[in-house]
Amino acid sequence: KNEVEQSPQNLTAQEGEFITINCSYSVGISALHWLQQHPGGGIVSLFMLSSGKKKHGRLIATINIQEKHSSLHITASHPRDSAVYICAVSGIPDSWGKLQFGAGTQVVVTP
Amino acid sequence: DTEVTQTPKHLVMGMTNKKSLKCEQHMGHRAMYWYKQKAKKPPELMFVYSYEKLSINESVPSRFSPECPNSSLLNLHLHALQPEDSALYLCASSHGRFANPADTQYFGPGTRLTVL
Repeated sequence: KNEVEQSPQNLTAQEGEFITINCSYSVGISALHWLQQHPGGGIVSLFMLSSGKKKHGRLIATINIQEKHSSLHITASHPRDSAVYICAVSGIPDSWGKLQFGAGTQVVVTP
Repeated sequence: DTEVTQTPKHLVMGMTNKKSLKCEQHMGHRAMYWYKQKAKKPPELMFVYSYEKLSINESVPSRFSPECPNSSLLNLHLHALQPEDSALYLCASSHGRFANPADTQYFGPGTRLTVL
């Protein structure tokens, strides 16, 4: 069983819509990471969270440590936001600094 | 400079070939990672170097051989690969010792490997 669950698996939105991706984890962690991967490969680290909320441009990430849940929000979505968004956690006991990845959410934003 | 570079971008090799993948970073990071990623799957950790020493080998077959010649450079030597080894190979680096789970990992663009 994967300790990191993401939903939805796939999401299609029209340009301008508000998008939410959810991530739940089942163990204690030190940090939660949101990553973005465009077609063609490279992964970009968007946020690292250990509590509260972070904002960067149109992206907002929140985490609720007690509920073991995080959300990534994209406001005023744009076709260039089309990518796979991956939630990952670190600091799981006995796993050192390894990242435990969720399965990813494929986001498609249509014009 | 917050960039991790990888060469080549694409590689096609036969099962009897020997080739190498290269990864470089100039951010002063002391932990470097190799990941393998199959289509529509998340990355899988292969190796971790911390302060130029191999810290983690995730039971990777010996046909993959990592090397960290210095703190900026990470190589992955490939020999006698199988078609199922075709994947995107990603390199990453992070600031401090590998055991720090609060470090952000910076990923390179990857090498798309095809084994014929």
